[in-house]
Amino acid sequence: GNSVTQMEGPVTLSEEAFLTINCTYTATGYPSLFWYVQYPGEGLQLLLKATKADDKGSNKGFEATYRKETTSFHLEKGSVQVSDSAVYFCALSEVIQGAQKLVFGQGTRLTINP
Amino acid sequence: KAGVTQTPRYLIKTRGQQVTLSCSPISGHRSVSWYQQTPGQGLQFLFEYFSETQRNKGNFPGRFSGRQFSNSRSEMNVSTLELGDSALYLCASSFLSVDYGYTFGSGTRLTVV
Repeated sequence: GNSVTQMEGPVTLSEEAFLTINCTYTATGYPSLFWYVQYPGEGLQLLLKATKADDKGSNKGFEATYRKETTSFHLEKGSVQVSDSAVYFCALSEVIQGAQKLVFGQGTRLTINP
Repeated sequence: KAGVTQTPRYLIKTRGQQVTLSCSPISGHRSVSWYQQTPGQGLQFLFEYFSETQRNKGNFPGRFSGRQFSNSRSEMNVSTLELGDSALYLCASSFLSVDYGYTFGSGTRLTVV
């Protein structure tokens, strides 16, 4: 079946550091790819998405590019802030004969120190 | 516009009891999905409803069930609760397809004692 593998966490960085969280996927067909973020005590929020190969999703300084050749969707940010501390989930969409769902990676906990 | 609303936010139940969780999607969203989040298993898909029909079901025992009403509001029910059912239950809605992305509610934290 389809699956998503994320970089193991937790990840701890200093403020203004460069961030990369790796995400690779296994899928039949061409799924849409997503990054969701979860702040403490809250549900998941859609951070960015890409629906086809070579698309770049971006939001709030975060970026990720849909790379079909490497089956990857790595999340990057040039300069992180303390407020970016959260758990980040990579996900792909799975649609089979109208039945649909998201398949999530295990999540990466990010802590930014001032 | 209002987001996805889940009630209650917190719930404590005893083993063997049953529980019903509620989800009101964003107005106009016809697809509602439910996920279970635990530290050990991560986010696991429970089921998805569209226009009152269950379109997809995850690999959970029959104790887990759900339904969707004509106004798109959804409920999920867990009968004969077990300690392992303790989790954060998340509801998500989307306009038509998951490819548009979900909007998640804040979740219901269920603790089974």
